[in-house]
Amino acid sequence: EAGVAQSPRYKIIEKRQSVAFWCNPISGHATLYWYQQILGQGPKLLIQFQNNGVVDDSQLPKDRFSAERLKGVDSTLKIQPAKLEDSAVYLCASSPGTSRMNTEAFFGQGTRLTVV
Amino acid sequence: GQQLNQSPQSMFIQEGEDVSMNCTSSSIFNTWLWYKQDPGEGPVLLIALYKAGELTSNGRLTAQFGITRKDSFLNISASIPSDVGIYFCAGRKGGGSNYKLTFGKGTLLTVNP
Repeated sequence: EAGVAQSPRYKIIEKRQSVAFWCNPISGHATLYWYQQILGQGPKLLIQFQNNGVVDDSQLPKDRFSAERLKGVDSTLKIQPAKLEDSAVYLCASSPGTSRMNTEAFFGQGTRLTVV
Repeated sequence: GQQLNQSPQSMFIQEGEDVSMNCTSSSIFNTWLWYKQDPGEGPVLLIALYKAGELTSNGRLTAQFGITRKDSFLNISASIPSDVGIYFCAGRKGGGSNYKLTFGKGTLLTVNP
């Protein structure tokens, strides 16, 4: 079974520029997550989709971050404009179902973003 | 946002030693997950716990869901060099995937051969 695919692996941009990340979850997984992981910290949830609907985006900085999952499969996360403090690893994860015992999140390798 | 308190922050041990780390919260969680993250990679799921008091093993790893539902423990027996990495606990308050998964700050494990 193929894992969660993310691209690009690395991205360096200047502040105030825009950037987009792509994620393809494990086939058949209904739930998709975007996490931000700053160096030395645990992942922090940015947004969670159930199929193509948003379940939780309470910690997404909506003035500059946006995400979509139009067909309930792959997803894109965009930052516009980027700030220095956005430098982090952006992790995408997916989980298979909605029942309590089917909700383990499986992670991609992440995209390391450096804003200079 | 809510963070889980994970300890210790780092550990430096000799190969062959046993390791224990834990995660606590002021809130009740219904699911506890333990992940390992290697440098440049995403977290990999090690063990999932769904019931208070549950004790689950995966090879040399054993994890427990605390009776109070506010804590969880991970033990690694007979450590080997490839156990090196960052271990994260994660908890979910509600049942079902529509509840947020919250992560601890991680325990950095170093194993000296």
